[in-house]
This record gives sequence, structure tokens and C-alpha cells, in this order.
Amino acid sequence: DAKTTQPPSMDCAEGRAANLPCNHSTISGNEYVYWYRQIHSQGPQYIIHGLKNNETNEMASLIITEDRKSSTLILPHATLRDTAVYYCIVTNNAGNMLTFGGGTRLMVKP
Amino acid sequence: ETGVTQTPRHLVMGMTNKKSLKCEQHLGHNAMYWYKQSAKKPLELMFVYSLEERVENNSVPSRFSPECPNSSHLFLHLHTLQPEDSALYLCASSQDWTETQYFGPGTRLLVL
Repeated sequence: DAKTTQPPSMDCAEGRAANLPCNHSTISGNEYVYWYRQIHSQGPQYIIHGLKNNETNEMASLIITEDRKSSTLILPHATLRDTAVYYCIVTNNAGNMLTFGGGTRLMVKP
Repeated sequence: ETGVTQTPRHLVMGMTNKKSLKCEQHLGHNAMYWYKQSAKKPLELMFVYSLEERVENNSVPSRFSPECPNSSHLFLHLHTLQPEDSALYLCASSQDWTETQYFGPGTRLLVL
């Protein structure tokens, strides 16, 4: 599976959009981009995933660049409860082996 | 997400004890997973079961013994653990082993 690079931490003001970047320059054609988040001492929560096209659901939007070498997770109106570690994972779904890296610690501030 | 439950949520055990962690999924999934998350380390995949057959074992020590009696239940039997085995143990499930995984809340284990 391709490796991912994320900033270790980010701050966001409550009510503003949180844009979390992820680089996956070695991604291959059959690999998906997944995003999970983990609130302190809880299990990871699935957010969204995509292959080529941008995706949106009730939680977030995922923007994947045309060359697929990077992506951005967008939380449109961040709340204090969105404070968590956000993980960007790339996998080809073969056995769906999720390899979690360090993630980005998002701090939403009042 | 209440589809995957884990019990107990917290466990303290001595190195000579035998205990079991339980995971139950109510999502009708066919694949289940155990992960370990130690302090300040990424999640590590331990075991994968698909249709009650083990399909992956990531070189986990034999003091961890998984059991999957049916597609809804997954156990992790623990015996003669070491203090360094203290961690958050997470269970996940997916429709099959190529689909999105959904995690339970985890069991926080402390080995004394």
C-alpha cells in the first residue's frame, strides 16, 4: 500500500471549514483513499473514501487531485466535537489492510 | 457507531491471568479484525477473519489467541501477557475483507 504524509497538527476555529491535506504521491491506479478519525481513547470512525472522483457525505467532502497524488478532507463547519486525530489511508482493498500512520491532530477552538 | 460492541471496556490483569476480550457486530458483516494501539504508536493489525476463517496473522505472539465462532462474534483470548502488552485493543468488521471497516470502541487493557 502507498504511504501517506500528513501534517502532525492543525488548528481550526469553530464554525469555519477545516481542510486537512494528505500527500500520497506513490498511489497506484487501483488504490483508494480512506479517511478515518479517532477521538481520544475511542475506536476510529470511518469518514469517507474515494478512488478518483470527489466525494461528499453527511460528514465531510473529499477532494482528490487529478493526478491522485494528494487529497484534502474538508469538514465544512467544524465543531468542538470534531477535535480528533484524522488518518488518511491508501489501500487497494485487497484484504483491506488498513495501515494507520501518525495522522493529523485537529484542534477545533472556540 | 453502535454496530460494533466490545466488552469489557477496561481490563486490568496480572501477568499470570487468563482473560478474554469479546467483540460483537450487529451489521451483518462477514469479516472481523483485531487491532492493537499502544501509546503514541499507530494501530497495528493483529488478526483478520473472513467467514470465520483466519486469513491474516501479523506475527502476533502466541499469548494472544483469537477465536471466531461465527460471523458476528470475535474473541481474543489472553494468557501470560507482559506489561508491554498494555494497550487499546480494537475490533472492526466489514461486509467482506475488501470493504470499509467499522470499529468498536475498544478495550483498554492494563497488564500489571
